[in-house]
Amino acid sequence: DAGVIQSPRHEVTEMGQEVTLRCKPISGHDYLFWYRQTMMRGLELLIYFNNNVPIDDSGMPEDRFSAKMPNASFSTLKIQPSEPRDSAVYFCASSPRGNEQFFGPGTRLTVL
Amino acid sequence: AQTVTQSQPEMSVQEAETVTLSCTYDTSESNYYLFWYKQPPSRQMILVIRQEAYKQQNATENRFSVNFQKAAKSFSLKISDSQLGDTAMYFCALGGTYKYIFGTGTRLKVLA
Repeated sequence: DAGVIQSPRHEVTEMGQEVTLRCKPISGHDYLFWYRQTMMRGLELLIYFNNNVPIDDSGMPEDRFSAKMPNASFSTLKIQPSEPRDSAVYFCASSPRGNEQFFGPGTRLTVL
Repeated sequence: AQTVTQSQPEMSVQEAETVTLSCTYDTSESNYYLFWYKQPPSRQMILVIRQEAYKQQNATENRFSVNFQKAAKSFSLKISDSQLGDTAMYFCALGGTYKYIFGTGTRLKVLA
């Protein structure tokens, strides 16, 4: 069984550009979570979905960030426009019931 | 508010020895879960062990075991027979109603 799949694994972009991170959760998992990890702030929950519906987006830092889950097997996290302070590792995780989460390998984003 | 505290930023242990990582937490929920995740240099977040709060018996997974003290809100991780591959960041996490709160992590180095 494949785990959570994230793409790209690395992204380098210039300030002001749009960035789209992608996630494919484990099949059958009803919950999907987006996290951001930085040295300063540690692991932060940005948003989570249940059955493709956003439930809590209180962790999304600002309007430049948006997330969608058009179907049960795909989610995106978009940053537009990107800024250097968005540089971080972004993780996607999925869960069958919401309590035990399985993480993807992460996307390392660098905004120059 | 829910909090998770890991008071040991860094630890080291000799190969084959035993080490204990500390974690304390606070929550007002009666039903919750506690987890330990390992993050090696590859960045992958790997679930090491989980504990349901309603279970009194401490969870064990091979060389990994926990000491769960519910009244004291303490959840420590014991690694027995430490191996070089155990070198990683270890995060304690509190799972309530679908959301995780992560500690700041303990960097563990296993010395040959």
